[in-house]
Amino acid sequence: NAGVTQTPKFQVLKTGQSMTLQCAQDMNHEYMSWYRQDPGMGLRLIHYSVGAGITDQGEVPNGYNVSRSTTEDFPLRLLSAAPSQTSVYFCASRSGADTQYFGPGTRLTVL
Amino acid sequence: EDQVTQSPEALRLQEGESSSLNCSYTVSGLRGLFWYRQDPGKGPEFLFTLYSAGEEKEKERLKATLTKKESFLHITAPKPEDSATYLCAAQGGSEKLVFGKGTKLTVNP
Repeated sequence: NAGVTQTPKFQVLKTGQSMTLQCAQDMNHEYMSWYRQDPGMGLRLIHYSVGAGITDQGEVPNGYNVSRSTTEDFPLRLLSAAPSQTSVYFCASRSGADTQYFGPGTRLTVL
Repeated sequence: EDQVTQSPEALRLQEGESSSLNCSYTVSGLRGLFWYRQDPGKGPEFLFTLYSAGEEKEKERLKATLTKKESFLHITAPKPEDSATYLCAAQGGSEKLVFGKGTKLTVNP
């Protein structure tokens, strides 16, 4: 199993540009989520999904969109990037109340 | 509102000097308490899951314990390679995990 994979590993954007952060898991987990991690703020939940076709907002959803068309994939879209979205982004997946596994992260800089 | 608070924010130990990290939680209907280790530039790595008060789990120099209000991560005779940020998270009645801000542990040789 590859576990949770994320691409790209690093990305630099200009303000106003759009991009999609990719996340995939091969563990057949129904629950997937996106977090951002900023110094002194800890991990904050952006969006999450409890299954294909079902998504919901987390703590900091503004400026981000998600969709879940398959069990395996959960992309995060930035429609118009802002400097405040400079952060490290982590995707995670789990099954029920079991252990949540994290991907390696995407380091995003918005200039 | 569900909350998780970790203390201290940072901890410096000498190699071999045992200590404990604290995770206080306020969660309705705890379904699981999770400990992770995070190294710089990497994603959190799972360590332990605790489900009920009184439960304990061990792995090498680490032992996690759980009460109705707190969890402790005990580190016995730490080594420099134990240096990392340790994260605690709790899952209550909702599907969401609530994370603390972490404790940065530095173990000096």
